[in-house]
Amino acid sequence: DAKTTQPTSMDCAEGRAANLPCNHSTISGNEYVYWYRQIHSQGPQYIIHGLKNNETNEMASLIITEDRKSSTLILPHATLRDTAVYYCIVRNTGGFKTIFGAGTRLFVKA
Amino acid sequence: DAGVTQSPTHLIKTRGQQVTLRCSPKSGHDTVSWYQQALGQEPQFIFQYYEEEERQRGNFPDRFSGHQFPNYSSELNVNALLLGDSALYLCASSFGVSGELFFGEGSRLTVL
Repeated sequence: DAKTTQPTSMDCAEGRAANLPCNHSTISGNEYVYWYRQIHSQGPQYIIHGLKNNETNEMASLIITEDRKSSTLILPHATLRDTAVYYCIVRNTGGFKTIFGAGTRLFVKA
Repeated sequence: DAGVTQSPTHLIKTRGQQVTLRCSPKSGHDTVSWYQQALGQEPQFIFQYYEEEERQRGNFPDRFSGHQFPNYSSELNVNALLLGDSALYLCASSFGVSGELFFGEGSRLTVL
């Protein structure tokens, strides 16, 4: 599975959009980009995933570049409850093991 | 619809002891993966069970073993506990080996 690179931490003002970048330059054609988040001491929570098209759901939007070497998770209106560690993961369709990177610690501030 | 449930939520053991952690997958899921998460670190993949067999394994010693039952629930066993085994143990279920992972809240193990 390809590896990902994320900023260690980011700040965001409450009510503003949080844009979390992820680099996955060695991604293969059959690998999806997944995003999970983990709020302190809880299990990771699935947010969104995509292959090459942009995706949106009730939680977030995922923008994947045309060359698929990077992506951005967008939380359109961040709240204090969005403070968490956000993990970007690439995972192939065989998907046997999902490997987590170090993630981005997002701090949403009032 | 119950999500992934794990038990116990917290437990304390001493070095050299053995521990068994349990996981019931989300309804409709047939695959269980186990992760170890040390304090302040990302989750580390231990292994995955599908059709009652271990399908993939991460870089963990043989002291870590598991089992999946016909009802898809799973156990993680750790023998000869070390201080370094203290961690949050997460269970994740999915439908099939490539399905989206749904995580439980974890079992926090402290080894003294």
